[in-house]
Amino acid sequence: EPEVTQTPSHQVTQMGQEVILRCVPISNHLYFYWYRQILGQKVEFLVSFYNNEISEKSEIFDDQFSVERPDGSNFTLKIRSTKLEDSAMYFCASREEIYTGNVLQPQHFGDGTRLSIL
Amino acid sequence: GEDVEQSLFLSVREGDSSVINCTYTDSSSTYLYWYKQEPGAGLQLLTYIFSNMDMKQDQRLTVLLNKKDKHLSLRIADTQTGDSAIYFCAESNSGDDKIIFGKGTRLHILP
Repeated sequence: EPEVTQTPSHQVTQMGQEVILRCVPISNHLYFYWYRQILGQKVEFLVSFYNNEISEKSEIFDDQFSVERPDGSNFTLKIRSTKLEDSAMYFCASREEIYTGNVLQPQHFGDGTRLSIL
Repeated sequence: GEDVEQSLFLSVREGDSSVINCTYTDSSSTYLYWYKQEPGAGLQLLTYIFSNMDMKQDQRLTVLLNKKDKHLSLRIADTQTGDSAIYFCAESNSGDDKIIFGKGTRLHILP
C-alpha cells in the first residue's frame, strides 16, 4: 500500500539554525498537510497546501515557517530560525481528494520527523 | 475555539473490551475520527463517523456518538496485545482540511 514517507526520522539542530523537513506524499495525492505534536501535547494543525499554494494555516504557522513543493514529488516544511519551542514531532499528511462521491477521503499520515532543538 | 478532550491512559485485560471516551466542543463538527498510533509509527485512521450517525460498527470496533452531549466513544471488543497503542480522537467540519486532535489515550493491555 502506498505510504507517505518522511525524512529524516530524527533531526537535531542548534537553536537559530534553519531546518528543512522533507515529505514524499502518495503519488496521486493533491492535498498536503503539516501537523506537529509537542511532547505530551495535542497533534496541532500547521498548514494545508493545494494547487501550489497554502489553503489554510494556523496561528502557529508564522513567518518563520514556509512550505514548498519543489519538484512535484517532495513537500517540505522549512523553519527559518529555529527556537527551543519548535522541538516537536512533525507529521506530514496527504490525500487524493476531499471527497470521492459522498465518501470522505482520509488524510494519510507519515511516521513523523522528531525535531530536537538544542 | 474547538477542543477535543480524552483521558490519557487506559489499562485493559487481554480479551476484555476497551472503551475510550472523548468529548469535543465544536457543535458544527461534521466528522469525528479515531486514529491509532503505534510506537514509532504515524497516525493510522481506524474509523470515522458522520455527525448524523449514532453508531458505526466495523469488525471489533464500535463507535458511539452522542451529539447532544458531544461525546464520542470507541469500543474495541476482545482486546488483543496488538491493540496496544495511542488512540486519538479527532474532529473536522464538513470534511475540512483541518483536523483537530485530542491528546490521545494510551491503551495498555494487561496479560
